[in-house]
Amino acid sequence: EPEVTQTPSHQVTQMGQEVILRCVPISNHLYFYWYRQILGQKVEFLVSFYNNEISEKSEIFDDQFSVERPDGSNFTLKIRSTKLEDSAMYFCASRLRQGNEQYFGPGTRLTVT
Amino acid sequence: QKEVEQDPGPLSVPEGAIVSLNCTYSNSAFQYFMWYRQYSRKGPELLMYTYSSGNKEDGRFTAQVDKSSKYISLFIRDSQPSDSATYLCATSFSGGYNKLIFGAGTRLAVHP
Repeated sequence: EPEVTQTPSHQVTQMGQEVILRCVPISNHLYFYWYRQILGQKVEFLVSFYNNEISEKSEIFDDQFSVERPDGSNFTLKIRSTKLEDSAMYFCASRLRQGNEQYFGPGTRLTVT
Repeated sequence: QKEVEQDPGPLSVPEGAIVSLNCTYSNSAFQYFMWYRQYSRKGPELLMYTYSSGNKEDGRFTAQVDKSSKYISLFIRDSQPSDSATYLCATSFSGGYNKLIFGAGTRLAVHP
């Protein structure tokens, strides 16, 4: 069964460093998303991506964040200068054109020290 | 008012019990309703997906949407210890890019 994959599973970085989180969405999906979940809190929407551009972003997704689909399979989230409060699980999700069944990856746990 | 409200629990039941999990939402324009299961430090796993009102059944799981009262439910029959997880309800608008709006999640423990 196709699934969303994410790497790395855990990333530790120092405050101010850049990180890139990687995702491989399900191959025939067209819409891509990043969500995050701070420990003990709700899953929160960050950004959606369709047709090679950002379609919607939340207030959390400020200038420090960017997304890219560099090739036909990968989807990345970059945080330019990490802050302590960026520590969270980051989930990638994807879906087909029709409906809204979003399938999530296993997540990347980001720890900023 | 929060967009999606969900009692965080924890909810503890004996094996074999019927479990009822619930959420309320505030925006009557929401059209898609989902239930996800999340094990500790793992990604949300899509369990049930409903468009608009009504019931949907899949094995031991039944999802219900009552749009008149803005209430969504997930029932688990013959619960098993392997059902122990956090259950997240989520909703979204129809059209647009359909970001999901999640509830806080209800932690369920099924004990043998």
